[in-house]
Amino acid sequence: ETGVTQSPTHLIKTRGQQVTLRCSSQSGHNTVSWYQQALGQGPQFIFQYYREEENGRGNFPPRFSGLQFPNYSSELNVNALELDDSALYLCASSSSDRGYAYEQYFGPGTRLTVT
Amino acid sequence: AQTVTQSQPEMSVQEAETVTLSCTYDTSESDYYLFWYKQPPSRQMILVIRQEAYKQQNATENRFSVNFQKAAKSFSLKISDSQLGDAAMYFCAYRGVNFNKFYFGSGTKLNVKP
Repeated sequence: ETGVTQSPTHLIKTRGQQVTLRCSSQSGHNTVSWYQQALGQGPQFIFQYYREEENGRGNFPPRFSGLQFPNYSSELNVNALELDDSALYLCASSSSDRGYAYEQYFGPGTRLTVT
Repeated sequence: AQTVTQSQPEMSVQEAETVTLSCTYDTSESDYYLFWYKQPPSRQMILVIRQEAYKQQNATENRFSVNFQKAAKSFSLKISDSQLGDAAMYFCAYRGVNFNKFYFGSGTKLNVKP
């Protein structure tokens, strides 16, 4: 059984650019949640995808968007990058009923730096 | 909105000793789930322990146990016989029964001294 993987590990972008982060969920999991973890803070919920549809969103602007594919892997896209978008982006997968999961399994994260 | 507060940014414990990490939360719901996650320096976050609010009995997982005080909205984590490998950031998290997102506290950095 493979765990949750994320790519790339690190990324440096310039303000105004666009970025795509990728997540492969754990085998058998149908739900993926994305979190933003600023330095020294706890993870903040961005959104969740359940069976390829967005299933809940946190307080993030529309320039944060995502996709989930039939194999339940997922992408997080951020347009018009701002300096405050610099953070660790975590993906968590789970096997859930309508998105209500008891446990999440986290990936190692992607460290995004916006200059 | 639900909030989770961890008032101890950093704590230290001697190897083999016991340490307790604090967490309080605010919610108007009567049923929910509480979690403690560990994030070692390598960054991959792992679940330590989970508590269902409807259960009166405190959860225990080997050396890890919780003190869940529902009326006080308090959820502390006790680590017994601390080991060097316990050094990490610890996050308290909340999820409501009817919501699909987890709310995390700001974390407590635990140092374990040999």
